[in-house]
Amino acid sequence: QVQLVQSGAEVKKPGASVKVSCKASGYTFTSYGISWVRQAPGQGLEWMGWISAYNGNTNYAQKLQGRVTMTTDTSTSTAYMELRSLRSDDTAVYYCARGIGPLDYWGQGTLVTVSS
Amino acid sequence: EIVLTQSPATLSLSPGERATLSCRASQSVSSYLAWYQQKPGQAPRLLIYDASNRATGIPARFSGSGSGTDFTLTISSLEPEDFAVYYCQQRSNWRRLTFGGGTKVEIK
Repeated sequence: QVQLVQSGAEVKKPGASVKVSCKASGYTFTSYGISWVRQAPGQGLEWMGWISAYNGNTNYAQKLQGRVTMTTDTSTSTAYMELRSLRSDDTAVYYCARGIGPLDYWGQGTLVTVSS
Repeated sequence: EIVLTQSPATLSLSPGERATLSCRASQSVSSYLAWYQQKPGQAPRLLIYDASNRATGIPARFSGSGSGTDFTLTISSLEPEDFAVYYCQQRSNWRRLTFGGGTKVEIK
């Protein structure tokens, strides 16, 4: 069965970086892209970007350009999302999901808290 | 950026009633619209893709319709487990995916 398992919760100080991992199983990793979506406390869903696991092509939300990098390691079927220069409003649950359009399988979410 | 506006923000209904949720796009997204359900503390779950196709394992009481700028998610008869928040999402502009603000379906 398809599973996306994310790394654990993180607490970071403002200005730091965080890297969240998303390990996929149950399907051919390179046949699908991976999208990243975040959700601030009590708020809606915000699309962050996607990466093609086939060729590494990426597409990022304009507001995160320059601060976010998405990568994949096809040898371990793992996707990564790094966010730099963290601010308090980056506090959110970060999700990875399979696909670039309809997102049909989701990870369990990783809470990233940015606090001094 | 394509803006998706969902209405109403909150829908108060009883089990067994019919729920009708709306999603309006700021420009045409053709049929490239999906619906998700999210329960507290859980990741979203894909319900409908490409406006009207049910995802794997989704009960037949969930249906989607619409094209262009106006879309509807209908739950024909609410079950207790259907009380949740629902989001629409477009992939027409695949470089800039967007989500709607959500509709909360609560128990009346």
